[in-house]
Amino acid sequence: EDQVTQSPEALRLQEGESSSLNCSYTVSGLRGLFWYRQDPGKGPEFLFTLYSAGEEKEKERLKATLTKKESFLHITAPKPEDSATYLCAVLDYGGSQGNLIFGKGTKLSVKP
Amino acid sequence: DSGVTQTPKHLITATGQRVTLRCSPRSGDLSVYWYQQSLDQGLQFLIQYYNGEERAKGNILERFSAQQFPDLHSELNLSSLELGDSALYFCASSEIQGPNSPLHFGNGTRLTVT
Repeated sequence: EDQVTQSPEALRLQEGESSSLNCSYTVSGLRGLFWYRQDPGKGPEFLFTLYSAGEEKEKERLKATLTKKESFLHITAPKPEDSATYLCAVLDYGGSQGNLIFGKGTKLSVKP
Repeated sequence: DSGVTQTPKHLITATGQRVTLRCSPRSGDLSVYWYQQSLDQGLQFLIQYYNGEERAKGNILERFSAQQFPDLHSELNLSSLELGDSALYFCASSEIQGPNSPLHFGNGTRLTVT
């Protein structure tokens, strides 16, 4: 069965304190790995798509990387406005009928 | 703003009742997805439509149904509601199905069943 596991469940950082969020996955064949940001009371907002191991994508203070078994979302010198829940999702070729399987997310809090 | 519009934002109803949630996709998007988000389960895929036709079904209960109309808006119907159906229901749209077309989500409908 396809699975997506995110860790930690929650992360508290001081402003400027860099860290990484982890997303490990088990799928029969990966078509794409997606990162989303979700603010309270809002829908998930698309950040990145990664397709193959070794790929990296960057946007402002965020950098996503991908290996064959996991993805990392690195946050460099975070600011309070980076506080949100970060969701990872995978799209596989197999039993999910081509639809996204989401992890439960990492809730990030950045204190000034 | 994702361009995906969901109504209503909040819905409070009693057990046994039936409700309809509405979604208007982004302009030009042919594919509509429905997801349920609860605190313990995270985002769970319910059903997908593409240009009016059902394309995929996920963990959707038989009490739930959906459709996509010719103008591409979609409705999710939830009947014989139970307390456990209380959740956030999200609609998302994409231009096509596949990794090159990420999903864009609306801000959801919060359903409370009392």
